[in-house]
Amino acid sequence: QVQLQESGPGLVKPSETLSLTCSVSRYALSSGYYWGWIRQAPGKGLDWIGTIFYDGSTYYSPALKSRVAISLDTPKNQFSLNLGSVTAADTAVYYCAKGLKAADAFDVWGQGTMVTVSS
Amino acid sequence: SYDLTQPPSVSVSPGQTAKITCSGDALSKQFVYWYRQKPGQAPVLILYKDKERPSGIPERFSGSSSGTTVTLTISGVQAEDEADYYCQSADSGAICVFGGGTKLTVL
Repeated sequence: QVQLQESGPGLVKPSETLSLTCSVSRYALSSGYYWGWIRQAPGKGLDWIGTIFYDGSTYYSPALKSRVAISLDTPKNQFSLNLGSVTAADTAVYYCAKGLKAADAFDVWGQGTMVTVSS
Repeated sequence: SYDLTQPPSVSVSPGQTAKITCSGDALSKQFVYWYRQKPGQAPVLILYKDKERPSGIPERFSGSSSGTTVTLTISGVQAEDEADYYCQSADSGAICVFGGGTKLTVL
């Protein structure tokens, strides 16, 4: 069973860049599938951030597109999220997830990591 | 981009049937996926492509589709089913969107 684990700073200052990494085990990123980032503000619903395919192609939420970048690091079997110019509204639990084959959904999720934007 | 609309809350007694709807203009053309999320936990995929169950998901979880509305049905609701449920879809360009979520309360 594929496993995912998010890591990164739990506190980011306003206007700075939020950077998170998702480490994938028991599956090689370069072998296929797609991978995503989803977030959830405290007490709110799920918010899709973006998706990266095994070939490096990316798709981003229209609301975040100007500030977000997702990349693959296949030698380390990791993928990363960078979200720039953060504000308090970006405070959330950030999840990484694995895409379901031949579908547009996520069937394996990391446990999530809380990121707070505050000075 | 487009919106998916879910009722904020649904309440049902144990053993009864719960129905949670997800509506959106694009749903007549795109599949819907359903997730269950319990407090403090990551979401879990419980239905994909409107009505297919991943392995390990009980048969009492089912899905149906009619026009622009997709319905998650939970038969014989149990106390452990109390959770938030989210629908999700994607447009033809792999742009995903989640519904606002429905809190299922088991009375």
